[in-house]
Amino acid sequence: EVQLVESGGGLVQRGGSLRLSCEASGFTFNSYSMDWVRQAPGKGLEWLSYISSSSSIIYYADSVKGRFTISRDNAKNSLYLQMNSLRDEDTAVYYCARDYGGSGNGFDPWGQGTLVTVSS
Amino acid sequence: SYVLTQPPSVSVAPGKTATIPCGGNNIRNKNVHWYQQKPGRAPVLVIYYNHDRPSGIPERFSGSNSGNTATLTISRVEAGDEADYYCQVWDGSNLHVVFGGGTKLTVL
Repeated sequence: EVQLVESGGGLVQRGGSLRLSCEASGFTFNSYSMDWVRQAPGKGLEWLSYISSSSSIIYYADSVKGRFTISRDNAKNSLYLQMNSLRDEDTAVYYCARDYGGSGNGFDPWGQGTLVTVSS
Repeated sequence: SYVLTQPPSVSVAPGKTATIPCGGNNIRNKNVHWYQQKPGRAPVLVIYYNHDRPSGIPERFSGSNSGNTATLTISRVEAGDEADYYCQVWDGSNLHVVFGGGTKLTVL
């Protein structure tokens, strides 16, 4: 079964840092690019970042560029999101997703999500 | 940056056909993907590359893309189809993924 499992969410102070992890199973992880997407409470989906299969190409949304860093370890079948200088508006459920069609063309599957709460 | 526009809500009676539009400038030139999200759950891909269905998605779900509007169509709507639906494209000019604002489908 193709599966993604996020971890690392929690309560963090404004200005703090957090590292999210996403462990993949059931498919050849190093053959797929991956993405992070978040959803603030009661809001829609917001794409955050993309990383190619070899980590050679990385893109960020303007809202997180310079604060968040995406990375992956193909030997560990894992994707990461390092989040620094966290703001109140970063409070959301964070999802990792397999880039099914490549270059942002269809995300399947998604992880179950991990909640990040930024509080003062 | 590229913008995708969806109506906040669509209502349909059981057994009827629901159409959910996704507007964007010359969207016909882009590949559109659609997701279904039920409360408290992660999104699920229901249509990719405008009209293809992933395995396990019922044939009742179909997609089209023409002009400035892409459309998700759900035939013979069931109560279990009640969910939020999001369209998505890749904006190659800005190297960003773009999501529409989402449409809440209510089954009357």
